[in-house]
Amino acid sequence: IQMTQSPASLSASVGDRVTITCRASQSINGYLNWYQQKPGKAPKVLIFTTSRLQSGVPSRFSGSGSGTDFTLTISSLQPEDFATYHCQQSYSTPSTFGQGTRVEIK
Amino acid sequence: EVQLLESGGGLVQPGGSLRLSCAASGFAFSSFSMSWVRQAPGKGLEWVSAISGSGSRTYYTDSVKGRFTISRDNSKNTLYLQMNSLRAEDAAVYYCAKEPPPGPGPWFDPWGQGTLVTVSS
Repeated sequence: IQMTQSPASLSASVGDRVTITCRASQSINGYLNWYQQKPGKAPKVLIFTTSRLQSGVPSRFSGSGSGTDFTLTISSLQPEDFATYHCQQSYSTPSTFGQGTRVEIK
Repeated sequence: EVQLLESGGGLVQPGGSLRLSCAASGFAFSSFSMSWVRQAPGKGLEWVSAISGSGSRTYYTDSVKGRFTISRDNSKNTLYLQMNSLRAEDAAVYYCAKEPPPGPGPWFDPWGQGTLVTVSS
């Protein structure tokens, strides 16, 4: 299953609402996860199974979607949110990731 | 606290071999499936291999089948990835990651800090 994220990068300001999309090449039954990765660090899960917030993750992060189209939303961008975000489908093996979306400071 | 610590990365010539290890602590290791995920420099994430908690079931991405072997020693709380016939395109940071309790649609949490594999002559 191919995963396509958009945009590849974006520039935003602190306080902005940011939306990242991920499209699967076929339906993945909601098995879509989102990770945040900062430079030189391992990824960290934010959202699993489309919309379930991982414990300890701020509520400004949310996920939605169904079928083949999914969205990660950051309601009010904070300085610590500047990072790369990856989507991952875990509906079928091999699990596959999107190419990543880099969120930069405007 | 759940911790994963990879080791074993380094510089290897094309065609060579390397064995990665991932030492786990803070959870009942044998109860959880584990995965290896890699990231080539400046690139996205690629799932490589997974193994069930007992070690009886293993899974691989097509590009490493027949060259890589995932295994685990539950008595030592350690996950392994034996990599043979290494190619330039295998160069990456390799992460081990824990999966949630058995069920559909697993995610990876947490991840280790990663170990760098460089394939070059």
